[in-house]
Amino acid sequence: GDSVTQMEGPVTLSEEAFLTINCTYTATGYPSLFWYVQYPGEGLQLLLKATKADDKGSNKGFEATYRKETTSFHLEKGSVQVSDSAVYFCALSGGNFNKFYFGSGTKLNVKP
Amino acid sequence: GAVVSQHPSRVICKSGTSVKIECRSLDFQATTMFWYRQFPKQSLMLMATSNEGSKATYEQGVEKDKFLINHASLTLSTLTVTSAHPEDSSFYICSAFLSGTSSYEQYFGPGTRLTVT
Repeated sequence: GDSVTQMEGPVTLSEEAFLTINCTYTATGYPSLFWYVQYPGEGLQLLLKATKADDKGSNKGFEATYRKETTSFHLEKGSVQVSDSAVYFCALSGGNFNKFYFGSGTKLNVKP
Repeated sequence: GAVVSQHPSRVICKSGTSVKIECRSLDFQATTMFWYRQFPKQSLMLMATSNEGSKATYEQGVEKDKFLINHASLTLSTLTVTSAHPEDSSFYICSAFLSGTSSYEQYFGPGTRLTVT
């Protein structure tokens, strides 16, 4: 079945460091891929998405490219800020968009 | 963007009682809503898919008689935890699927923290 695997955290970085959070997926068909962010005590917010191979999603300095050949959707940011501290979830949605599958989440701690 | 609300945000109840959680899409109609459960430091587990005007579809291992879902209108879905027990304590999150567009994304509510004592 469809699934998402992302790197375990927590990830601790200093402000302005480069961030990569790995995400790989298994899916039948052609899924859409998403990154969601969850701040403490809150629900999930869509960070970025890509709906087909080679698409690059970007938002707030974060980027992720849909790589079909490596079944990956790694999240990157060139210079993190303390305010980026949160839990990041990689997710995929199958062909009929009826179900989302989430990775286990990666907690990011950014220190000043 | 589309907004989804949940009520209540926090609830504490005694073991054996029932609790209802509401999920509303505030500025769009959602024919499909989803209910998730999130354990501490873990990912979201899809519990069920709620379809307006029809019965919910439950994921394997989720007790449909314990977690009653009603999708009464295009903007409201409710999750009722019946005869709650301490092991039902969790963070419950709903989402609404914005159909009829090319965005193919779900909009999530802020979540409801349920504590069963």
